[in-house]
Amino acid sequence: GEDVEQSLFLSVREGDSSVINCTYTDSSSTYLYWYKQEPGAGLQLLTYIFSNMDMKQDQRLTVLLNKKDKHLSLRIADTQTGDSAIYFCAAKRPGANNLFFGTGTRLTVIP
Amino acid sequence: GAVVSQHPSRVICKSGTSVKIECRSLDFQATTMFWYRQFPKQSLMLMATSNEGSKATYEQGVEKDKFLINHASLTLSTLTVTSAHPEDSSFYICSAREGTNTEAFFGQGTRLTVV
Repeated sequence: GEDVEQSLFLSVREGDSSVINCTYTDSSSTYLYWYKQEPGAGLQLLTYIFSNMDMKQDQRLTVLLNKKDKHLSLRIADTQTGDSAIYFCAAKRPGANNLFFGTGTRLTVIP
Repeated sequence: GAVVSQHPSRVICKSGTSVKIECRSLDFQATTMFWYRQFPKQSLMLMATSNEGSKATYEQGVEKDKFLINHASLTLSTLTVTSAHPEDSSFYICSAREGTNTEAFFGQGTRLTVV
C-alpha cells in the first residue's frame, strides 16, 4: 500500500497563514488531494493537484507539491475561525479505485 | 457537490450485538461505494469496495464475515458489524462514486462505541 503521513494538530491565530504538511511514499501517485471535515459532516474535497504540477492556487488555498521529496502542503491564507476543521491529505495511485489517506490534521484557529 | 448521507452518526452498542450502518447517495447513482475505518490517531484505512449488485472486495486483514457489506441498490450500501467487540470501536466512513473516473463523495461518518 501507500503510507500517507500528517501531523495531528496545528493551531494558528486568526488572520495568520496556516500550512498543513503531508508526506507520501508512493512516487507513482497521480493525484493528491486535500479534504476538509467539519464536525458532523462528511469529507469535503477542497482541492487536488496532479502529479505533474508543482503548485495550484485557488483563492485562499495554495497547494505545493515537491514530487522529489514526496511532500505536499496546503497553505490557507488569512485563516478564519470557520477554517477550524480536520484536513485530510490523500493520494491516488494509478489504476487504484480508492484513495490512501493520512491521519488528518486538526486545525484550530484562535480568535 | 453531490450528497452522501450516512446513518447513524453515533452509535453505542453492547458487546456481542450487531450494528448496521447505512450509506445513501441522495442525488446520484452510486455504482461504487467504499467503506473506510479510522482508529484514533491513525489514517483512514480502506476496508472494502463494493459495486452495486456484486460482492464486496475486502482489503487484506478485514474479516468479511465480521463486516458484512451489502450494496443491493444504486443508492444504498450497508455495513453490518456482527458480534461487535470493544476493539471494533472506531470511526467508520463511507464514500460513493458514480462511474469510474468521477469524484467520490463522503458521508459524515459513524462513531461506533462498543461497550
